[in-house]
Amino acid sequence: DQQVKQNSPSLSVQEGRISILNCDYTNSMFDYFLWYKKYPAEGPTFLISISSIKDKNEDGRFTVFLNKSAKHLSLHIVPSQPGDSAVYFCAAPPSGNTPLVFGKGTRLSVIA
Amino acid sequence: KAGVTQTPRYLIKTRGQQVTLSCSPISGHRSVSWYQQTPGQGLQFLFEYFSETQRNKGNFPGRFSGRQFSNSRSEMNVSTLELGDSALYLCASSSDTPRETQYFGPGTRLLVL
Repeated sequence: DQQVKQNSPSLSVQEGRISILNCDYTNSMFDYFLWYKKYPAEGPTFLISISSIKDKNEDGRFTVFLNKSAKHLSLHIVPSQPGDSAVYFCAAPPSGNTPLVFGKGTRLSVIA
Repeated sequence: KAGVTQTPRYLIKTRGQQVTLSCSPISGHRSVSWYQQTPGQGLQFLFEYFSETQRNKGNFPGRFSGRQFSNSRSEMNVSTLELGDSALYLCASSSDTPRETQYFGPGTRLLVL
């Protein structure tokens, strides 16, 4: 059973517009969420995180929103740039020392 | 600080063979986790080592094993390779727990023929 779900395998956006990547989770005990970005032939790199005590965290063009009641988070990229084209993974650590649980990823294509 | 390094970067094996992959974490990091990435399956957790002990294990068969050395370097081994083991194997390190930000290596691309 997937605890972290990214239901859109791909997303295509025009350069300069907003990209919104979505992630749903089932475990209400999750209290921390991370987004990773992965280019082909490279390992994922950490992008941004959010604690469950917040509903928004912003870092430059990237903002993550958390809706605990809906068990939903989203990553907004504004404005989108061609260099943002990558696979984005949502992840959460269940508890204690247990490892991160990753979604299956969403491939973002930003078209110039 | 140097990042996480993985060797080899690419590997071709045949069914039934075994393979050993290596990972050197960021200096000072004691937690090393291994993941398998296949198309459409995202990142599936294999196992995590901390101070030479396996601390967490994912749902993979016993053909997949690993170990960690006193310098935190880690190896994973896959015995009796199957076609379905073809994947990108990623190693990630963090300073203490896998809850913290993990830093990934570039991965080893394994192709089983």
